[in-house]
Amino acid sequence: DGGITQSPKYLFRKEGQNVTLSCEQNLNHDAMYWYRQDPGQGLRLIYYSQIVNDFQKGDIAEGYSVSREKKESFPLTVTSAQKNPTAFYLCASSMGWGGYTGELFFGEGSRLTVL
Amino acid sequence: AQKVTQAQTEISVVEKEDVTLDCVYETRDTTYYLFWYKQPPSGELVFLIRRNSFDEQNEISGRYSWNFQKSTSSFNFTITASQVVDSAVYFCALSEAMGAGGTSYGKLTFGQGTILTVHP
Repeated sequence: DGGITQSPKYLFRKEGQNVTLSCEQNLNHDAMYWYRQDPGQGLRLIYYSQIVNDFQKGDIAEGYSVSREKKESFPLTVTSAQKNPTAFYLCASSMGWGGYTGELFFGEGSRLTVL
Repeated sequence: AQKVTQAQTEISVVEKEDVTLDCVYETRDTTYYLFWYKQPPSGELVFLIRRNSFDEQNEISGRYSWNFQKSTSSFNFTITASQVVDSAVYFCALSEAMGAGGTSYGKLTFGQGTILTVHP
C-alpha cells in the first residue's frame, strides 16, 4: 500500500546524543515535511523539501538537520543543540508544484523522549 | 503572520449529539487555503477538507459539515449525530494558496487542536 513510513515509533535518547528519525514515502510525492507536535501547541514546521537535493527551514529549525538525497526519503536528525527535543515528530508529503492540492499525507509519527 | 486559533481545548459529548468545533484564523494573504485534519489515537493526521478563500460555500460530507465565513475569519466544523469513532484530536490549519505565486505551499499553520471525546 502507498503511504509514509516513519521509524522508529518510539525512541529514547540521552542528553547530548544526536538521533536520526527516518521517513520514507512511496507515493511519488515531490514535497516532504517534518512537523513537531507538543501538547496544546498544535503542529509546528521544522523543515520542508519541495524537491530532491533542496530543503528549507521552517519555523523551528534550530537544533535540527535534514537531507533529501532521494525522492522517497527525508530523514531528520535531532542534534544535541536542540534544547527541548522531547516531542512527537510527524513526517508528511504532498504533491509538488503544479499538482499540489493542499492535502498532506502523514506518517504515524515518532515519539522521542530524552532521558 | 498567519495564526489559527481553536479556542476549545477539549470537548466531551455523548453519542448521537451534534458537536461544533470552532476555528478562527488570521492572515494578510488575499488567497489562502483552510483545512481540517483528524488525528486518531494511531497518531497520523488524516485530511478531511480543504477550502479556498474565494469559495465560501458551505460543504457537507455525510455527517460532517463545514461553515466558512470570511467576514468573521471562521471555518467551523460540525459533526452531526456523533459516534465513538469520531473521538480524536481535530486540527484546523491555514496555508497560502498556490495561486499566490509563493513557493511555500505545504507550509501549514496549525491551530492548537481540539480533543473530542464521544462517550457511548
